[in-house]
Amino acid sequence: GAVVSQHPSRVICKSGTSVKIECRSLDFQATTMFWYRQFPKQSLMLMATSNEGSKATYEQGVEKDKFLINHASLTLSTLTVTSAHPEDSSFYICSARPTGGGTDTQYFGPGTRLTVL
Amino acid sequence: AQSVTQLDSHVSVSEGTPVLLRCNYSSSYSPSLFWYVQHPNKGLQLLLKYTSAATLVKGINGFEAEFKKSETSFHLTKPSAHMSDAAEYFCVVSSRNSGNTPLVFGKGTRLSVIA
Repeated sequence: GAVVSQHPSRVICKSGTSVKIECRSLDFQATTMFWYRQFPKQSLMLMATSNEGSKATYEQGVEKDKFLINHASLTLSTLTVTSAHPEDSSFYICSARPTGGGTDTQYFGPGTRLTVL
Repeated sequence: AQSVTQLDSHVSVSEGTPVLLRCNYSSSYSPSLFWYVQHPNKGLQLLLKYTSAATLVKGINGFEAEFKKSETSFHLTKPSAHMSDAAEYFCVVSSRNSGNTPLVFGKGTRLSVIA
């Protein structure tokens, strides 16, 4: 149980295009999901907290107009990287907190590797 | 405010020898502490977590960690390393008393296992 999927697992796009990454909780509902970014050989940095039915909360320094987050249902959150540039190339990981679960319980997706040419 | 310091960026051990990955934390509230493992190009897998019960926490794959409040440490150990243990390990802290506080990750320790 407690499986989180991400789609796509890997994407390559041209500079200036937009890319959407999906995060799904497969066997539980998640009121809250989190989006992280991981640069090569570095730790995970929280980008934003996504709450179902409301606006996402972005961490300092993360451009909300560039990284659009939609959490339209209790099992799906999407991250759209708009007008992507090579510096946006990174490993993006989502996590989902089960509804009613402990505040420190999160299940992680397998990640999406974005390469912007 | 919370923070995590992983004292070693890289640890190398021989197969069959003990593993020690060090982690110190700082938290304004009672912390929850976690160790996650990440294999190359994979997501994170929870190894174990401490949430105020027993201070010695046993996890999967033979790993365990001991919460020491006096030393603000939560070091990860394993008696005998296996080749499949080679991966990146993250120590993570969360505050149980501060609502929706997200997880705070350490910088990671890369474990290499030599045959």
